[in-house]
Amino acid sequence: DAGITQSPRHKVTETGTPVTLRCHQTENHRYMYWYRQDPGHGLRLIHYSYGVKDTDKGEVSDGYSVSRSKTEDFLLTLESATSSQTSVYFCAISESRGGGETQYFGPGTRLLVL
Amino acid sequence: SQQGEEDPQALSIQEGENATMNCSYKTSINNLQWYRQNSGRGLVHLILIRSNEREKHSGRLRVTLDTSKKSSSLLITASRAADTASYFCATDAFGGKLIFGQGTELSVKP
Repeated sequence: DAGITQSPRHKVTETGTPVTLRCHQTENHRYMYWYRQDPGHGLRLIHYSYGVKDTDKGEVSDGYSVSRSKTEDFLLTLESATSSQTSVYFCAISESRGGGETQYFGPGTRLLVL
Repeated sequence: SQQGEEDPQALSIQEGENATMNCSYKTSINNLQWYRQNSGRGLVHLILIRSNEREKHSGRLRVTLDTSKKSSSLLITASRAADTASYFCATDAFGGKLIFGQGTELSVKP
């Protein structure tokens, strides 16, 4: 299994509070991704990174920001959490130059926003 | 927007039977991938088929791709209870990003 960890694994927070999720990889892969998974929607891409300090928006980026200051860490921040951001968040990595090759997923973070 | 749409949404079979899941997509693709997700876990890559390939095998898995119909199928032969999971197709439409379908829930009863 690819060396990907996510922290925290579970979090309960209140509306309006900031939340940061961390994805850490030991594979030195260039590409990293954040997805959210919701019933009826499958996985949707939030943001992705193609290198240190290089990030771009995905399909559902509103309300989220990301940072990547080191190859191994990709942070997802909800600046002011809302109930609609209750979801399961997955980080993924890919070694491909084009970014469209096999992705390896972390175990996920369950976030509940009350 | 959804690129890959899986069919059926749910499938229940007996151990030993074959399971077939289908995926349709809308735009031209570079490759199509299938992933499995066990309950409460992350996705695991199963197989990747490129746009110039028509069929690919991996163990008990067989994937076909018909670019003229913009569709793919995943066949699991001689299914086992351990195959119970959700299966997702994902397409790489030359943008370097994968777009996932909503998945097929497969239940294999012993």
